[in-house]
Amino acid sequence: DGGITQSPKYLFRKEGQNVTLSCEQNLNHDAMYWYRQDPGQGLRLIYYSQIVNDFQKGDIAEGYSVSREKKESFPLTVTSAQKNPTAFYLCASTRLGTSYNEQFFGPGTRLTVL
Amino acid sequence: AQSVTQLDSQVPVFEEAPVELRCNYSSSVSVYLFWYVQYPNQGLQLLLKYLSGSTLVKGINGFEAEFNKSQTSFHLRKPSVHISDTAEYFCAVRTSGGSNYKLTFGKGTLLTVNP
Repeated sequence: DGGITQSPKYLFRKEGQNVTLSCEQNLNHDAMYWYRQDPGQGLRLIYYSQIVNDFQKGDIAEGYSVSREKKESFPLTVTSAQKNPTAFYLCASTRLGTSYNEQFFGPGTRLTVL
Repeated sequence: AQSVTQLDSQVPVFEEAPVELRCNYSSSVSVYLFWYVQYPNQGLQLLLKYLSGSTLVKGINGFEAEFNKSQTSFHLRKPSVHISDTAEYFCAVRTSGGSNYKLTFGKGTLLTVNP
């Protein structure tokens, strides 16, 4: 089945540690996105990428980094510079080049900083 | 830039009652509009979308929404809800042209259906 996988589902981190969240898609989608979700805040865009080896900052990129070495993979690193990293992280992807492009979402990773 | 306002953060209803979740948007250009649903600890699933044409759009699970350009609204409705509709609902917008595929989301409305 085609879809988006995120791992792990739950992640615990000590303060001061970097941690990497995985996102993989087998939909052959061009663009991939990372969102952060906090209670009552909706989804906020962290980074997005429309092509391999290129990515752009979203609205809340500080303290995060990404890479896009392969079309199907878009890992997100939460660095120690992120002051409040405890949140639910969602990855999404979409096809480009048509008039309408639905974003498909992965199941999410819940990160808790201890 | 666009913005989305979901007017109610929580909506409690009884089973089999009708429900309306309200969404207003702001944009200086034409937009596409979406409603997504999120069940606890899961990703988002597209309920319905407005791209163009008929202002009344129907989606999955018996939901529908009406696009009102003059009031810049895109309210979601269901005539009779079930317990299983309990979830968080997000309204989202993106520009309809160009190469900007980014979505802007509202803060969500938690729908709780009580027996």
